[in-house]
Amino acid sequence: AQKVTQAQTEISVVEKEDVTLDCVYETRDTTYYLFWYKQPPSGELVFLIRRNSFDEQNEISGRYSWNFQKSTSSFNFTITASQVVDSAVYFCALNDYKLSFGAGTTVTVRA
Amino acid sequence: DTGVSQDPRHKITKRGQNVTFRCDPISEHNRLYWYRQTLGQGPEFLTYFQNEAQLEKSRLLSDRFSAERPKGSFSTLEIQRTEQGDSAMYLCASSSSLSGTGAEKLFFGSGTQLSVL
Repeated sequence: AQKVTQAQTEISVVEKEDVTLDCVYETRDTTYYLFWYKQPPSGELVFLIRRNSFDEQNEISGRYSWNFQKSTSSFNFTITASQVVDSAVYFCALNDYKLSFGAGTTVTVRA
Repeated sequence: DTGVSQDPRHKITKRGQNVTFRCDPISEHNRLYWYRQTLGQGPEFLTYFQNEAQLEKSRLLSDRFSAERPKGSFSTLEIQRTEQGDSAMYLCASSSSLSGTGAEKLFFGSGTQLSVL
């Protein structure tokens, strides 16, 4: 069974637009961790954020923000005022026993 | 901090040949992971080591696959009698278990892209 679902396969925006990436997860555990990773064209996955299941506080880091809603099992990611350098594949991941990734969302930001 | 290194970056082989990939983790990290990623998909877990002990293997890891981490430092992943379905990006990651199981942040290498002809 798919543990992490990223419904959007591709998103294309013009620079300075906001973009929100959806992530829905499934687990029976009460303790788990959620992650977002970025994979630029170079291929190396880069850690963006980690959230534990007991901390539902939303977080903002520069132009990035995350909305964790346990009631809907969602952990969405928003890039505000997107830039061309944000173009990458973004993965949501769940660690309840081992790290399971979603299929990823390809974000293309056009100048 | 030199990051996680993987070698080679690209490997092209003929079906039936054996291939071996190497991963050098971040030096102070005691955990090492292997993942496989195919086009349009997220990485899939293959196996992981804590120090030199291989603690878990995915069902994806058939008998043709073997991984080692002999001294708890670098690791190798060998695929015997390669098949076209083995074509994928093989990613290595490392982490420190000090942050607690499940919470650790994985640091990934750039991967080895395998093409089986």
